[in-house]
Amino acid sequence: DAGVTQSPTHLIKTRGQQVTLRCSPKSGHDTVSWYQQALGQGPQFIFQYYEEEERQRGNFPDRFSGHQFPNYSSELNVNALLLGDSALYLCASSLGPGQYEQYFGPGTRLTVT
Amino acid sequence: DQQVKQNSPSLSVQEGRISILNCDYTNSMFDYFLWYKKYPAEGPTFLISISSIKDKNEDGRFTVFLNKSAKHLSLHIVPSQPGDSAVYFCAASGSNFGNEKLTFGTGTRLTIIP
Repeated sequence: DAGVTQSPTHLIKTRGQQVTLRCSPKSGHDTVSWYQQALGQGPQFIFQYYEEEERQRGNFPDRFSGHQFPNYSSELNVNALLLGDSALYLCASSLGPGQYEQYFGPGTRLTVT
Repeated sequence: DQQVKQNSPSLSVQEGRISILNCDYTNSMFDYFLWYKKYPAEGPTFLISISSIKDKNEDGRFTVFLNKSAKHLSLHIVPSQPGDSAVYFCAASGSNFGNEKLTFGTGTRLTIIP
């Protein structure tokens, strides 16, 4: 039973560039949430996708956008990268948007220089 | 505004003893609480959860206690083992729209001393 997978593992980008991160949910899960974890902090909710639509969103600017595909996989896009966007980006999946228990992938470490 | 707080950044416990990790919350709309464990270079791993209709949930060596009136929960690990050394995150969620996301604390680094 495959768990949540994310790619790439690490990424280095320059300020102003754009980045796309990818996530495949755990088998049988149809809801994907994205979190940003800065150093020394807990994960912060970015947004959640269900039925290919953004269902709810945290306090992140419009530079952060996402997409969910018919096979439930998801992408996180960040435009006009800032130094402060350097963080671990975590994808979590669940069995429906109302399910509290979310299962996390290993994350993508993004460094913006 | 930190709605979920873990006031102890770190905790060291002798192997075999009890580890107690604490968490406080401020949002009264939270009705489900979870503990996650995180090793370096890995994503958080779900450990145990509790609904607000209960005050205790047990799973093997792990027990979570919830005190709704104090808006406080704790995770007890007995007996503590070296493999328990990790960062533990408390998270909370609500059933009403807008609160279904997980809101995390800042984590407590637990070190088990052999």
